[in-house]
Amino acid sequence: AQSVTQPDIHITVSEGASLELRCNYSYGATPYLFWYVQSPGQGLQLLLKYFSGDTLVQGIKGFEAEFKRSQSSFNLRKPSVHWSDAAEYFCAVGAPSGGSNYKLTFGKGTLLTVNP
Amino acid sequence: GAGVSQSPSNKVTEKGKDVELRCDPISGHTALYWYRQSLGQGLEFLIYFQGNSAPDKSGLPSDRFSAERTGGSVSTLTIQRTQQEDSAVYLCASSFTPGRTNYGYTFGSGTRLTVV
Repeated sequence: AQSVTQPDIHITVSEGASLELRCNYSYGATPYLFWYVQSPGQGLQLLLKYFSGDTLVQGIKGFEAEFKRSQSSFNLRKPSVHWSDAAEYFCAVGAPSGGSNYKLTFGKGTLLTVNP
Repeated sequence: GAGVSQSPSNKVTEKGKDVELRCDPISGHTALYWYRQSLGQGLEFLIYFQGNSAPDKSGLPSDRFSAERTGGSVSTLTIQRTQQEDSAVYLCASSFTPGRTNYGYTFGSGTRLTVV
């Protein structure tokens, strides 16, 4: 069964600083990979996704993520954080095929605080 | 509708009471999902509906939980004899199918359930 680990429960950065949120997954092959963001009282919004091909994927709001097969990682990055990026971020994996190729497995999330 | 609509947005209930949570998916989305988000935890898969196929109920935590989807559209998640550990945010999502589009989830804003 697939699993996702987000090692950092809470990260604080200053506005304008760079950001990297870590995500490690466990899966028998190359999974589909996703990053979602959740603002308080809101549902989850998809930032970006990786299915195949170029391992560096661009998303919305200036975010990008890099798939590293050798490290089983899919870390999220942003070169310069804005105060509006403060939210909770979730990494998720999905199986590309098979009987459960619709079910996402989520990490426990990383809460991002942005200091002015 | 334009998005996934969930109601109520907040629900406080007494332990032992039954509750019903409603999800109205995006028009034309044939797949519908329920996830549960407990404090400090990631999202936990509950149930998946796809068209007229038998739902995947493998994530329902106990027989107190049930869900139905009428006419391939609106879904209701019912929790009977609520317990305090049922307190969580219940998120609904919908997507097109099949293939990669399975993972084109659009999430609702959730129902925050508090059992007192």
